[in-house]
Amino acid sequence: GEDVEQSLFLSVREGDSSVINCTYTDSSSTYLYWYKQEPGAGLQLLTYIFSNMDMKQDQRLTVLLNKKDKHLSLRIADTQTGDSAIYFCAEKQGGADGLTFGKGTHLIIQP
Amino acid sequence: GAVVSQHPSRVICKSGTSVKIECRSLDFQATTMFWYRQFPKQSLMLMATSNEGSKATYEQGVEKDKFLINHASLTLSTLTVTSAHPEDSSFYICSARPQAEAFFGQGTRLTVV
Repeated sequence: GEDVEQSLFLSVREGDSSVINCTYTDSSSTYLYWYKQEPGAGLQLLTYIFSNMDMKQDQRLTVLLNKKDKHLSLRIADTQTGDSAIYFCAEKQGGADGLTFGKGTHLIIQP
Repeated sequence: GAVVSQHPSRVICKSGTSVKIECRSLDFQATTMFWYRQFPKQSLMLMATSNEGSKATYEQGVEKDKFLINHASLTLSTLTVTSAHPEDSSFYICSARPQAEAFFGQGTRLTVV
């Protein structure tokens, strides 16, 4: 299977919370990242978490890491239309310099 | 936060010509930069690691003679797509890490006609 896996689509109502999930395979991952990509644009770093942390919160964003299950999630509270984008999960594997990305989750906001 | 700037954002070139893409770290020095390629509706794939003052490290399957990388200073890495063909059309994006954060440029949409 893929090193980093994400669901391709997530649809939520405006104002609700969005939870985007990601699983990875490398237990030596040191950092895990969440990026946002809008159409035709580059990647915007939203947040990252060190592998010895369980949770990180930054305003509307909450990252949860379950290292035992190799599961990472991004929760966006009070989802707005401007949150519509593709969200990429990425890991920095131990010993590697570059990042390994998932295929991205397309977040769709319903009015 | 730290900014990585990439130029140009879009380029259209004729088949057989070469295209240079620049990646700059604006407020930090980057001894290492990374070049990724993204196909439509696909994930990003690491192409190569650019090392200041030394040769780039290419990922398996990436042609080093086609994708020339030069990291001449601590703030600039360039990727040159040589003798471009339509199959080289893609979104190229660079990255640099001042510390734990990994920042990305705006990306370059290359179209080879």
